[in-house]
Amino acid sequence: DVKVTQSSRYLVKRTGEKVFLECVQDMDHENMFWYRQDPGLGLRLIYFSYDVKMKEKGDIPEGYSVSREKKERFSLILESASTNQTSMYLCASMSVGSNQPQHFGDGTRLSIL
Amino acid sequence: AQRVTQPEKLLSVFKGAPVELKCNYSYSGSPELFWYVQYSRQRLQLLLRHISRESIKGFTADLNKGETSFHLKKPFAQEEDSAMYYCALSGANSNYQLIWGAGTKLIIKP
Repeated sequence: DVKVTQSSRYLVKRTGEKVFLECVQDMDHENMFWYRQDPGLGLRLIYFSYDVKMKEKGDIPEGYSVSREKKERFSLILESASTNQTSMYLCASMSVGSNQPQHFGDGTRLSIL
Repeated sequence: AQRVTQPEKLLSVFKGAPVELKCNYSYSGSPELFWYVQYSRQRLQLLLRHISRESIKGFTADLNKGETSFHLKKPFAQEEDSAMYYCALSGANSNYQLIWGAGTKLIIKP
């Protein structure tokens, strides 16, 4: 069974802080994703990565960056946290190929004060 | 434009009643359609995909290419079906990334 682990379930940070959200998957998946989940807006893709050190912007990359130094780990970085980045953040991984499902972590509920 | 539309943000039905969660899509080509579910305090997980033509937890979904729909149906709702449901599609045009609907919150009343 695929395991996607996000480092924190809940996180509270202050405006202007640099925030790191970590995600690890154990299935050797090539593709990894970071989403924001907000009520009424569904899931919005922030960044994704299709290989080590490779990254692509999603729909809402502003204010975020990512790092993928190892295949199993995909980090989301909020360079200078702002209150409008308060949200639920979901990490997912997926194998290459058509019709492959994405496997999600439990999510990190991030509050920026 | 590629888009997934779930017209209902909230759907409330009584236990034992039929359920239909609507999903319409806009896509040029052959999409792959999925339904994901998120139960309270649990992770988002795959419920079913159209290619499998399977029934999971009593739910089925048929891809209707003429109407560009992939509605999720269950003949008799159960309380444990209360959850957030997301429809999503992928395909070659989106580099197989998922395009998500906004989600429908399903509440089953006792």
